[in-house]
Parts: sequence; C-alpha cells; structure tokens
Amino acid sequence: AQKITQTQPGMFVQEKEAVTLDCTYDTSDQSYGLFWYKQPSSGEMIFLIYQGSYDEQNATEGRYSLNFQKARKSANLVISASQLGDSAMYFCAMREGHRDNDMRFGAGTRLTVKP
Amino acid sequence: EPEVTQTPSHQVTQMGQEVILRCVPISNHLYFYWYRQILGQKVEFLVSFYNNEISEKSEIFDDQFSVERPDGSNFTLKIRSTKLEDSAMYFCASRRWVEANEQFFGPGTRLTVL
Repeated sequence: AQKITQTQPGMFVQEKEAVTLDCTYDTSDQSYGLFWYKQPSSGEMIFLIYQGSYDEQNATEGRYSLNFQKARKSANLVISASQLGDSAMYFCAMREGHRDNDMRFGAGTRLTVKP
Repeated sequence: EPEVTQTPSHQVTQMGQEVILRCVPISNHLYFYWYRQILGQKVEFLVSFYNNEISEKSEIFDDQFSVERPDGSNFTLKIRSTKLEDSAMYFCASRRWVEANEQFFGPGTRLTVL
C-alpha cells in the first residue's frame, strides 16, 4: 500500500507567486516525521523542511512552509514568492516511528516556475 | 560545510558484472543508507546500516546486494551480478544519530547496465 501520495505529477506557477504541493500519508504510528526534498535537474537531493508528528506548529524554513494537517494526514509544502530556480522535482517522504531507519518517498511533483 | 560524497558519478557496466559503489558519509554520522531511483521514478529505500551491521532492508535488497563499511570512512554498496533493471541512480545518505531529523544525501552514482 502507498504510504506517501503525491497526486500532482506536474505543477506550474508564475514567478513570484506562491504554490502548494500536496502530500498525504498513511501510517498507524503516533510518532513519525515528514520531509520534503528538492531534486533539481542535476539530480542531487536537497533537504528542505521537516515536520514531526508531535510538533504543534507548522514548520517553516525561509520561503518554505509545511501545512501540516494531522487529522487529514496531509503535509503540503507551500513555496512563497516562487523563483525560477525553484523549478525541480519535489519529493515528500515519511519516516515512521517503528521503522526509524528508513524513509519512504512519494512519487514526486515536478514544479515549473514560469517567468 | 561537511557533505556526503559518492564515487563514481557515473558507472557503466555489462550485465552480469559486479559493481561497487562508494560513499563517504559525513564523518561524525552514525547511520548510513542506500537508496535508488530508477529514471523518472520515485526514490526507493534499499538498506540502512548502523554499528557495522544492517539494521533494516527493503524487499529490493536481495542476495545480489551487500553493504560494507571497510574502514572508518567508506560505505560501499556491492551488486554481485548486475541486471538490466539495476540501472538507476544510487544515493547514499547519512544521519548523525537516531534523534536527528535530517538525512544528508550524496550527489548520487548513475549506474548504467548494458
């Protein structure tokens, strides 16, 4: 069964606008962590943001914020003021508490920022 | 800033050959991982390694795969007899300790099996 679902294979956004990339997850663990990674065309995986299941506040890192809705099991990434350099694949991932040693990734969303 | 390094960046091999992919994790990290990403697909967990032994592995990590930390710095992934479907990008990652949130990924090794 899919643990991480990213329903948007591709998204477009105008430069300087905000964009939300969707991520839903499935777990029966009470303790888990949610991650977003950026993968530009060069291929490396760049960590963006982390949200713990017990964190009461939504995580923020600069222009990135995570809209964490625990009851709905969603962890959407919001990028504000999009820049051309934000064009990349974005992966949502989860590490479950009982499987503390691995991380499961979603299928990814390709974001294209238009000038 | 410390980073995970991987060599080679691209490896081409013939089907049936053995390959060893090398990684140097960040020096004070304790947990090490291998992931793979078939072109255009999602990143898949292969194996995690802690205290000189495998702590978890996925169904992908069959008997053709092995990992080793031969010295204090290198972490290797060996594929004993490569198949065409092993062609992928292989990422190494490391994490400082179990409570640390972030996994630092290396730049990847692109393996092409002909």
